[in-house]
This record gives sequence, C-alpha cells and structure tokens, in this order.
Amino acid sequence: AQSVAQPEDQVNVAEGNPLTVKCTYSVSGNPYLFWYVQYPNRGLQFLLKYITGDNLVKGSYGFEAEFNKSQTSFHLKKPSALVSDSALYFCAVRDGYSTLTFGKGTMLLVSP
Amino acid sequence: EAQVTQNPRYLITVTGKKLTVTCSQNMNHEYMSWYRQDPGLGLRQIYYSMNVEVTDKGDVPEGYKVSRKEKRNFPLILESPSPNQTSLYFCASSQGGDYGYTFGSGTRLTVV
Repeated sequence: AQSVAQPEDQVNVAEGNPLTVKCTYSVSGNPYLFWYVQYPNRGLQFLLKYITGDNLVKGSYGFEAEFNKSQTSFHLKKPSALVSDSALYFCAVRDGYSTLTFGKGTMLLVSP
Repeated sequence: EAQVTQNPRYLITVTGKKLTVTCSQNMNHEYMSWYRQDPGLGLRQIYYSMNVEVTDKGDVPEGYKVSRKEKRNFPLILESPSPNQTSLYFCASSQGGDYGYTFGSGTRLTVV
C-alpha cells in the first residue's frame, strides 16, 4: 500500500527566509507526487507535481519541490517566505492508476 | 469556469437522520472521489469512482454510500449519521493518470 509521511506538524519561519516542508513517500511503482495548499476555510489548491523528468519541479506562487528517488522524498521549498504563505500544506502520492493518498499535513507559519 | 461544486457548505443534523451531500463537476472527468479531513489525520479517502457505475471503497468507507449514475455527479450519502462522522468533507475529480485533483470547497458536517 502507498503512504505519505509529513514528519513535521508545524514549520515556523521568518518572512524573507527560505522554507522547507518535508515529505517522504512509499509506493510500489513509479510515483506521481503532488503538493497541495489549503488556506483557512478553503478547499485544497494544487501547487505542483512530479511525474517524470527533472528532479526539481517548479510550481505556483514561487514554490518548488525536489524529488529524490534514493531518499524517497519530495520536499517543498521556497527561497523567500511570505506571510501570505501561511497555510496548511499536504503532500500526496499516487502509483499510476491508484488513488491519491495524502499525508497528514504540515502547518506553515510565516512570521513578519 | 472549471470547478467542482459541493452542497451544502455547512450542515448541522441529528443522529440517524439520513442526509446527502451533492458533488458535481463540469470538466468531464472520469475519476471522482470523496475525502474527509480531520485534525491530525489529514485527508482520508471514503469512496472513489473510476467511471459511471464504477465505485470502490477507500480507506474509511464505513457509514457512507455513494452512487455514480452520471459522469458529472457523485453524491455522498449518510444513511444514519453518527457524531463520529462530524468532519470536513471534500469532493474531488480528476482526469486520472498523472493529473492532479480539482477539489470542491468542502462541506462542514456536524452530527449532534
């Protein structure tokens, strides 16, 4: 069975500093990996995905993620955090035709 | 506008009173899914559907029913709601494969 782990319940970072939100995964085949963001009282919004190709994937709002096959990781990054980036972030994985499995989420808090 | 529409957004009901949460998508997606979101547990899949008349259980199907009589609609039915089904529910749709999901805005259900 596929699974996703987000080891940090919360990440705190000061505005202007780089941020990383961690994600590791487990699938039996080639992974399709996704990051979603949820703002308060809103649904989930797609940020970026890795299917194949370059290990560094660029997405919306200046976010990027690095796929590392040997470490089975797909960490979300941003060079310079904004207060408006404060939200709940979900990593998700699917194995080809399987359903999408989500991690438990990481709350990102960016302080002014 | 491409979207997934859920109704209602908020619902308070009593134990045992049957209810239906509707979900409709206008993107001609074959794949649809229901998730529930609970604090500390992330998103857990309830049911999914690969196409019309094709549905299957997710990770937490107990106490729920679904139907997929037409491609655009995927209602979630709680025949006899209980307080442990108090949660935030999301419907999502996808083209499948390496495409991500499009999520509805969510339905916050309280069962008293």
